[in-house]
Amino acid sequence: QVQLQQPGAELVRPGASVKLSCKASGYTFTSYWMNWVKQRPEQGLEWIGRIDPYDSETHYNQKFKDKAILTVDKSSSTAYMQLSSLTSEDSAVYYCARDDAAFDYWGQGTTLTVSS
Amino acid sequence: DIQMIQSPSSMFASLGDRVSLSCRASQGIRGNLDWYQQKPGGTIKLLIYSTSNLNSGVPSRFSGSGSGSDYSLTISSLESEDFADYYCLQRNAYPRTFGGGTKLEIK
Repeated sequence: QVQLQQPGAELVRPGASVKLSCKASGYTFTSYWMNWVKQRPEQGLEWIGRIDPYDSETHYNQKFKDKAILTVDKSSSTAYMQLSSLTSEDSAVYYCARDDAAFDYWGQGTTLTVSS
Repeated sequence: DIQMIQSPSSMFASLGDRVSLSCRASQGIRGNLDWYQQKPGGTIKLLIYSTSNLNSGVPSRFSGSGSGSDYSLTISSLESEDFADYYCLQRNAYPRTFGGGTKLEIK
């Protein structure tokens, strides 16, 4: 069965960077794009961007162009999102979601807390 | 960017009620609209894709309709597990954009 495994939580200092992971299983990793979505506390969902694991082509929301970098490791079927220059505005839950036109499978999300 | 406006932002309903949630786009999106359910605790599930197609395993009490810039999700008879947050998503253009959500609460 399709699964997207994400760590439950990350705590990082303001100004630092973090690399969030999303390990895929149960399907051919390189056959489906992967999306990343942000959700701030008590807020709605915001699309960050997506990556094609086959050739690492990316599409970004311009709002996150200087904040997020999407990469993949095909050998481990893992998608990554690096977030840089972290501030309290980056504290949120980050989801990965497989792209089969619609976002058909979602990870459980990683809660990122930016705090000193 | 295409703006997605969901209404109402919250609503109360009773078990067995029929409810309809609305999603309006700032421009036509050619049916490239999906509906997602988010339960307390954060789990997100695809319900309806491309306006009206029921995702595998989703109960038939859920249905979707619409065209152009106006879309709706209908739940024909509410069950206890349906009380959750619902989001629409447009996939017609970049960036992908979600509606602000409808919180469906038990009366």
